[in-house]
Amino acid sequence: AQSVTQPDIHITVSEGASLELRCNYSYGATPYLFWYVQSPGQGLQLLLKYFSGDTLVQGIKGFEAEFKRSQSSFNLRKPSVHWSDAAEYFCAVCIQGAQKLVFGQGTRLTINP
Amino acid sequence: DAGVTQSPTHLIKTRGQQVTLRCSPKSGHDTVSWYQQALGQGPQFIFQYYEEEERQRGNFPDRFSGHQFPNYSSELNVNALLLGDSALYLCASSFLDEQYFGPGTRLTVT
Repeated sequence: AQSVTQPDIHITVSEGASLELRCNYSYGATPYLFWYVQSPGQGLQLLLKYFSGDTLVQGIKGFEAEFKRSQSSFNLRKPSVHWSDAAEYFCAVCIQGAQKLVFGQGTRLTINP
Repeated sequence: DAGVTQSPTHLIKTRGQQVTLRCSPKSGHDTVSWYQQALGQGPQFIFQYYEEEERQRGNFPDRFSGHQFPNYSSELNVNALLLGDSALYLCASSFLDEQYFGPGTRLTVT
């Protein structure tokens, strides 16, 4: 069965610092990969997605993610975080064509001023 | 263009009662999925509707049922509510493989 692991439950970074959130997945083939962000009490907003092609994908709000097949990873990065980036971040995978998302447990990001 | 909308925003029910949650998909989207997000957890897939039929189902009991209407909107019904059903219920609509989520319905079972 597919699974997604986000090893870091909670990360704190200073405003202006760089950020990397980790995501590893378990699946026999390359699934579709997604990062979503959720502000408190809100729904999920899609940051970026990887279906195929260039392994470095750009998303909204200055985020990017790199797919590494050899490591089954899809880590999210941002060169300089802003206070408004404080939120919960979820990595998700989807079997091609199935449209059923499997989510990780999430990483809560806190920004220090 | 309106995104995915859900109603109600919040709901409080008592154990044993039944509840119906509603979802209107993004314009042009024909597939609706429902997810349950318990506090501090990632969303868990409940089921998906396409062409008014349940196409996929996650590991949820039969107390959870749904419906999709000809205009692609959808309902999630939960019978015989348990305390453990307290969660944020998220609806997502999709066309092909990209899902757009609504703001969710917060269900509290007392």
